[in-house]
Amino acid sequence: EAGVVQSPRYKIIEKKQPVAFWCNPISGHNTLYWYRQNLGQGPELLIRYENEEAVDDSQLPKDRFSAERLKGVDSTLKIQPAELGDSAVYLCASSTVWRVSDTEAFFGQGTRLTVV
Amino acid sequence: TQLLEQSPQFLSIQEGENLTVYCNSSSVFSSLQWYRQEPGEGPVLLVTVVTGGEVKKLKRLTFQFGDARKDSSLHITAAQPGDTGLYLCAGSSNSGYALNFGKGTSLLVTP
Repeated sequence: EAGVVQSPRYKIIEKKQPVAFWCNPISGHNTLYWYRQNLGQGPELLIRYENEEAVDDSQLPKDRFSAERLKGVDSTLKIQPAELGDSAVYLCASSTVWRVSDTEAFFGQGTRLTVV
Repeated sequence: TQLLEQSPQFLSIQEGENLTVYCNSSSVFSSLQWYRQEPGEGPVLLVTVVTGGEVKKLKRLTFQFGDARKDSSLHITAAQPGDTGLYLCAGSSNSGYALNFGKGTSLLVTP
């Protein structure tokens, strides 16, 4: 069974440019998470979806970040415009039940973003 | 956001040594998970602890959840180079909606 798939693996862009990340969760996983991980830090939650509904986006910088999960499967995270401080690894994770503490969250390999 | 403090931040030991890493918070968690992350990969779940005082063993790894469910420890016996990685603890609140991660302990085990 395929795991969580993210693309691209690496992205280098100039500041003020837009960028998008794509995530395909494990089949059947209704819960999807986007995390941001800065160098030497633990992941920080940006947004959580239950099917196609964003149920927790309190940590998402809405002035420049947006996300969507059409049809409750794949998801896209967008930054527009990107800033130097957005350089980080963006991780997508999925799980089978809405209480993540009751199950395992499976993570993708992440997209490493460098803003120059 | 419930904060999780992990210590030490970095640890470099030789193969065969024992070690303990800690995860502490002032908040009570309904459960706590430990993940290991290797360079260029996403975190992978090692264990979930739910009950205060609970002890779980996974081969050479022993996980303990504090009685008050505010802290946890991970003990590795006879560390091996394959244990090298970033160890992250993550706690969830009573709602269990999302994981709040600590900053992690970066472990290097040299032959």
